[in-house]
Amino acid sequence: GAGVSQTPSNKVTEKGKYVELRCDPISGHTALYWYRQSLGQGPEFLIYFQGTGAADDSGLPNDRFFAVRPEGSVSTLKIQRTERGDSAVYLCASSPGRSNTEAFFGQGTRLTVV
Amino acid sequence: DQQVKQNSPSLSVQEGRISILNCDYTNSMFDYFLWYKKYPAEGPTFLISISSIKDKNEDGRFTVFLNKSAKHLSLHIVPSQPGDSAVYFCAASGISSGSARQLTFGSGTQLTVLP
Repeated sequence: GAGVSQTPSNKVTEKGKYVELRCDPISGHTALYWYRQSLGQGPEFLIYFQGTGAADDSGLPNDRFFAVRPEGSVSTLKIQRTERGDSAVYLCASSPGRSNTEAFFGQGTRLTVV
Repeated sequence: DQQVKQNSPSLSVQEGRISILNCDYTNSMFDYFLWYKKYPAEGPTFLISISSIKDKNEDGRFTVFLNKSAKHLSLHIVPSQPGDSAVYFCAASGISSGSARQLTFGSGTQLTVLP
């Protein structure tokens, strides 16, 4: 597709369950980012991939959060033992990989933990 | 500890007038600044950026001004149009952000342009 695609667009899960959120970046973009946006706040950085490797995972809040990008394209954000505080919009973005270029965002996945 | 601050949660402007959105930052290592626009149920869309070596960047109706000494930037939209109504996020990146790619966002300003 032409833009960053995220699936599902909405996810409701019970506390304690495991969830996976998927991101399809723009074709050819080597850099991929995950952000989390809580209500009334700006997006907060979670993790950044350059190719297949996580170049910076300093934003992951704890070890329940994990992300992979095994072939350098699609990425999956995995959350174990979900908590109500994990409820947020999870945004994925990609960029061409050159420094100081803008990131293109997907529409996000709204995660609700009940 | 908010490193990027947008102190006005909302702004209303009459159509045709100028909209000025403000952003302050505290981290002097930030060297690249961006503005994103966000409509409901959509992801943020890149609007305009500025490098710290410049003090102004213009793109059509949108101009970003950077005052490094004051650690302040602003986005000017002129003339404002009803379609500009959205949440505007200021973001910054720099060497101190680890990868230099990590964006630090402000909390956003809801702009409403009244017809």
